[in-house]
Amino acid sequence: KAGVTQTPRYLIKTRGQQVTLSCSPISGHRSVSWYQQTPGQGLQFLFEYFSETQRNKGNFPGRFSGRQFSNSRSEMNVSTLELGDSALYLCASSFTGGEADTQYFGPGTRLTVL
Amino acid sequence: AQSVAQPEDQVNVAEGNPLTVKCTYSVSGNPYLFWYVQYPNRGLQFLLKYITGDNLVKGSYGFEAEFNKSQTSFHLKKPSALVSDSALYFCACPGPGGSYIPTFGRGTSLIVHP
Repeated sequence: KAGVTQTPRYLIKTRGQQVTLSCSPISGHRSVSWYQQTPGQGLQFLFEYFSETQRNKGNFPGRFSGRQFSNSRSEMNVSTLELGDSALYLCASSFTGGEADTQYFGPGTRLTVL
Repeated sequence: AQSVAQPEDQVNVAEGNPLTVKCTYSVSGNPYLFWYVQYPNRGLQFLLKYITGDNLVKGSYGFEAEFNKSQTSFHLKKPSALVSDSALYFCACPGPGGSYIPTFGRGTSLIVHP
């Protein structure tokens, strides 16, 4: 079974630009979560989608948004990029997103904002 | 509030020696606890989880974890460390709410010396 895939793997953008990251979950998984990982803040939860609906949201500004398609693939968008948005963005999928579900992570997208 | 804590930023161990990476939890009700590992420039990989039952949980790559309710701990262990075990280890638990918003520890960097 193919794992979680994320594209692109690396991105370099400048301040003020916007960016879209893509995530394809494991087949059959309906829950997709996004995380931001930085050395200073560690792993921070961005949002979770289930059946095309945002079900949970972390404490990030409205510049961070996402969506999920009917095939469970998900995208996240960051508008008006800031230097502090430089991070590794991780996507994870699970069957239902329930408390006991294991999350399976993709390799991440490394975003650098100049 | 649901939370986990990893008291050590870094653990150093010699190859062949046993290793322990510590995690304590503060979870109401039945705790679901997870360990993930992150190798450089990769996403997180699931190692093992505790849901209920046997307090000793066996996982991938020879790792195991012991659930200790009286000490509210879920330490990760391995009898004989390998240099290739060097990585960042995260303990996690479900967050509050009906859906799964996981809470991750800050991570412990394990360095295994040859």
